[in-house]
Amino acid sequence: NAGVTQTPKFQVLKTGQSMTLQCAQDMNHNSMYWYRQDPGMGLRLIYYSASEGTTDKGEVPNGYNVSRLNKREFSLRLESAAPSQTSVYFCASKPGSYGYTFGSGTRLTVV
Amino acid sequence: QQQVKQSPQSLIVQKGGISIINCAYENTAFDYFPWYQQFPGKGPALLIAIRPDVSEKKEGRFTISFNKSAKQFSLHIMDSQPGDSATYFCAASRTTDKLIFGTGTRLQVFP
Repeated sequence: NAGVTQTPKFQVLKTGQSMTLQCAQDMNHNSMYWYRQDPGMGLRLIYYSASEGTTDKGEVPNGYNVSRLNKREFSLRLESAAPSQTSVYFCASKPGSYGYTFGSGTRLTVV
Repeated sequence: QQQVKQSPQSLIVQKGGISIINCAYENTAFDYFPWYQQFPGKGPALLIAIRPDVSEKKEGRFTISFNKSAKQFSLHIMDSQPGDSATYFCAASRTTDKLIFGTGTRLQVFP
């Protein structure tokens, strides 16, 4: 099925561990985004990639890195996880204009 | 200038009633105003969107009202149903730019 695929769906990390969240889209969209969702805070942009080969910081980039591997894939890396990074992470993509298509999310707990 | 303010944070409506969620923006360069619907455990999905050249857009029971001079837009859900119970996010952007999201409204529709 066409759409945005995120892996894993759930993850528990210990403080200081690292991990990479994977995102892939098969809609040939140019732009891809990583958001985190926390209660009462809405969706906050972590990093985005307006096109293949470019990445930019969003509202809350500290503690994260990203890689736009190719047009389809955009990964988010936590180098040294902290409890404050406990959240639900969403990847999204969009064509040149109009709205996003979101993935189903990764629920991350850092203990 | 980048904020989108959304209210109320939560809303309880009787089945058959009208649900109204409001948003306000600051950046007059914004020209795309979508609403997203999110069910528990799922990613947000585009529900309906409007551009500032019209004051209202209707799709089934869902209507966006847009007031350009006041920099406000709202979502109206007519004949609200229990299946409409979800979190709703407003957002705004320039067409080719990243979306700025409101903080979300949790809607509960009781039979």
